[in-house]
Amino acid sequence: KNEVEQSPQNLTAQEGEFITINCSYSVGISALHWLQQHPGGGIVSLFMLSSGKKKHGRLIATINIQEKHSSLHITASHPRDSAVYICAVRGGGGADGLTFGKGTHLIIQP
Amino acid sequence: GAVVSQHPSRVICKSGTSVKIECRSLDFQATTMFWYRQFPKQSLMLMATSNEGSKATYEQGVEKDKFLINHASLTLSTLTVTSAHPEDSSFYICSAQRGGYRYEQYFGPGTRLTVT
Repeated sequence: KNEVEQSPQNLTAQEGEFITINCSYSVGISALHWLQQHPGGGIVSLFMLSSGKKKHGRLIATINIQEKHSSLHITASHPRDSAVYICAVRGGGGADGLTFGKGTHLIIQP
Repeated sequence: GAVVSQHPSRVICKSGTSVKIECRSLDFQATTMFWYRQFPKQSLMLMATSNEGSKATYEQGVEKDKFLINHASLTLSTLTVTSAHPEDSSFYICSAQRGGYRYEQYFGPGTRLTVT
């Protein structure tokens, strides 16, 4: 069973700051997802990674398969980025269901 | 594209009744759908994997007789919580995997179930 750890659990920053959220996992995977969950509960998929780096707007996600580690970066953070960011991994053994981290609660203050 | 809907978004029911939650892929065919549950302040947990036309695969600790899953078509999966109890109160969310796109999952908006 994969263990997914995220850090930090909570993060408060000022608008404009560069944000980094980390995710590590214990067992090899076939894919890693970064998700965003707003207070109402709805989930938006931000990235799906199996190697390297992806960028979408102000968001950047990287993954190091050898080190079993991924990071999500937010550049020029804005209050509307305030949400819970969740790392989830898909196993390499054929099961497609995701294993989730506990999430990082991000608050960006104006 | 790749929109997943869930209905209802919120439901309150009395203890002992059954509740059905629908998960639909609106613009693609979903050969596989997943059901997750999230208790307050906790992470999402996979409950079951549902493949169209076959029985669902349940995770350890999830009662298949209590959480009935039906994936009757390539665009619809339903989760029925039978004889609901207050401890079943949770946020239920589904995701759908597009046929031929094994790694991509699209999430529904979730259903908040409260059992009184």
